Amino acid sequence: EAQVTQNPRYLITVTGKKLTVTCSQNMNHEYMSWYRQDPGLGLRQIYYSMNVEVTDKGDVPEGYKVSRKEKRNFPLILESPSPNQTSLYFCASTSGTTAYNEQFFGPGTRLTVL
Amino acid sequence: SQQGEEDPQALSIQEGENATMNCSYKTSINNLQWYRQNSGRGLVHLILIRSNEREKHSGRLRVTLDTSKKSSSLLITASRAADTASYFCASTGANSKLTFGKGITLSVRP
Repeated sequence: EAQVTQNPRYLITVTGKKLTVTCSQNMNHEYMSWYRQDPGLGLRQIYYSMNVEVTDKGDVPEGYKVSRKEKRNFPLILESPSPNQTSLYFCASTSGTTAYNEQFFGPGTRLTVL
Repeated sequence: SQQGEEDPQALSIQEGENATMNCSYKTSINNLQWYRQNSGRGLVHLILIRSNEREKHSGRLRVTLDTSKKSSSLLITASRAADTASYFCASTGANSKLTFGKGITLSVRP
């Protein structure tokens, strides 16, 4: 089944404790991205990757890091989480090297930073 | 920056009625997409309309695009309780990024 998976689905952590949210897709997509969703603000792009070893900042990259060592995986790293990073996070992928096509979203990761 | 802005923010209708949702955007686009999100879950792609298209259909969905007014509308005909969800428009522009609006909450009463 074609899908985007994220882990963990739920995470409660404390300020400053490094964490990684994994994202994996099995559709051989070049383009992957991370979004955060906050009430009243919709979805905002954090980082995106057009292909392996190519990443770039989205609209709200501060406090986040990503890597793209393999085509299928695009982990999101919070080196020192803060409470304002409490949010619902989505990974998405699409064919091609731009966001022009249909995006496939993961199920989301609900992160709470205390 | 938010490219798309949906209107209304919330819509409540009776089952069987049609639901119309509007989206406006600021800059020129390559295409515009609509997504649905059931409560707290991942977004699901509904339909994509390119900048050179004016209307597109998919099942009970009808999307229009007016590039002169920088707006799009999503019509769901004969709504069902299962259509209850949040709907987002998202546009891609010259920067090739996808920018989402804040979403419309649709409630369909049985």
